[in-house]
Amino acid sequence: AQKITQTQPGMFVQEKEAVTLDCTYDTSDQSYGLFWYKQPSSGEMIFLIYQGSYDEQNATEGRYSLNFQKARKSANLVISASQLGDSAMYFCAMREGGDYKLSFGAGTTVTVRA
Amino acid sequence: ETGVTQTPRHLVMGMTNKKSLKCEQHLGHNAMYWYKQSAKKPLELMFVYSLEERVENNSVPSRFSPECPNSSHLFLHLHTLQPEDSALYLCASSQIAGVAGELFFGEGSRLTVL
Repeated sequence: AQKITQTQPGMFVQEKEAVTLDCTYDTSDQSYGLFWYKQPSSGEMIFLIYQGSYDEQNATEGRYSLNFQKARKSANLVISASQLGDSAMYFCAMREGGDYKLSFGAGTTVTVRA
Repeated sequence: ETGVTQTPRHLVMGMTNKKSLKCEQHLGHNAMYWYKQSAKKPLELMFVYSLEERVENNSVPSRFSPECPNSSHLFLHLHTLQPEDSALYLCASSQIAGVAGELFFGEGSRLTVL
């Protein structure tokens, strides 16, 4: 079964506007971590933000924030004040307790328009 | 400059060739990973090494052979590949720390099998 679901294959956003990328996850573990990565056309995966399952506050890192709704098993990424350099593919990922690996979603392509 | 370096960045090989992908991490991490990224598919975990021991092998065909001689270096040896093995191969490292501890990725090696 798919552990991470990203239902938006592609999105367009106007420069300086905010965009929300959806991510839902599936786990029976109580302890898990959620991650968002950005992949520009160069190929490198760049870590953006982390949310632990026991964290009570939503994670924020600069223009990135994670809207964590535990009961709904969702971990949406919000990018505020979009910039042209934000155009990339964005991946949601999860690590379950006691595991080494990250399981990734299929990704969402974001294109920022001037 | 990325803390994880992959070489070569691009590789074209025939189905009867033998080649190797190299990954080096300069971050002092104790776990290293190979992921495969094919078009329109989520990242697929191939191998995980923790403290130089293979801890996960995700049903990868034997034509892919990993090697981890020390905690800083990881290789993926390739032989008698198929055209469907053409993909971006991403190396990553992390410090094992429960569910936290993001993966740091290299820029990937783009492989084309003719």
